Amino acid sequence: DAGVIQSPRHEVTEMGQEVTLRCKPISGHDYLFWYRQTMMRGLELLIYFNNNVPIDDSGMPEDRFSAKMPNASFSTLKIQPSEPRDSAVYFCASRQRQGRAEAFFGQGTRLTVV
Amino acid sequence: LAKTTQPISMDSYEGQEVNITCSHNNIATNDYITWYQQFPSQGPRFIIQGYKTKVTNEVASLFIPADRKSSTLSLPRVSLSDTAVYYCLGQVNRDDKIIFGKGTRLHILP
Repeated sequence: DAGVIQSPRHEVTEMGQEVTLRCKPISGHDYLFWYRQTMMRGLELLIYFNNNVPIDDSGMPEDRFSAKMPNASFSTLKIQPSEPRDSAVYFCASRQRQGRAEAFFGQGTRLTVV
Repeated sequence: LAKTTQPISMDSYEGQEVNITCSHNNIATNDYITWYQQFPSQGPRFIIQGYKTKVTNEVASLFIPADRKSSTLSLPRVSLSDTAVYYCLGQVNRDDKIIFGKGTRLHILP
């Protein structure tokens, strides 16, 4: 398996534009996580899914953020409208099962909102 | 979720053994201790996981005392490429979240 695949790797957009980040988890993994990382706030969990169902979105900063998982092999994180403070690296991770199983992370998407 | 506390940063030299200690005073009975490593510009990577006593793999060793209120990640003979941020997590079986703290920024000097 190629691991968790995120696209794009880099995104530069203007304030107010819609941004869509994409993630393909490892095949067979039941859990998918979206994180945001900044120097100030560290690695924050935004939302996670189990079997394509959102379980906890309490980390989503505000209504401008939304995430979907239409099937087991694809998820999106959308920001609309984007703001400069959304600039960060966004990571997607997947995990095979509950408990002890390790999470595998993608390479991340570096988002810059100008 | 188990709250973890670890040093913000550490420096060491190539060839040395590095020990990073993590405190988790409120760890629950069924929590495992998991460590991740993050290199610059990459996502975190699982290193090792344990419940109690000692666990060793090709990357590191993990020591967990009987009371399980702390754990120590041991990296033998570090090299410059071990420079990274190391995260200690109390991974909860009853809750599927994976929550990262601030981690320990390890800087290896030549």
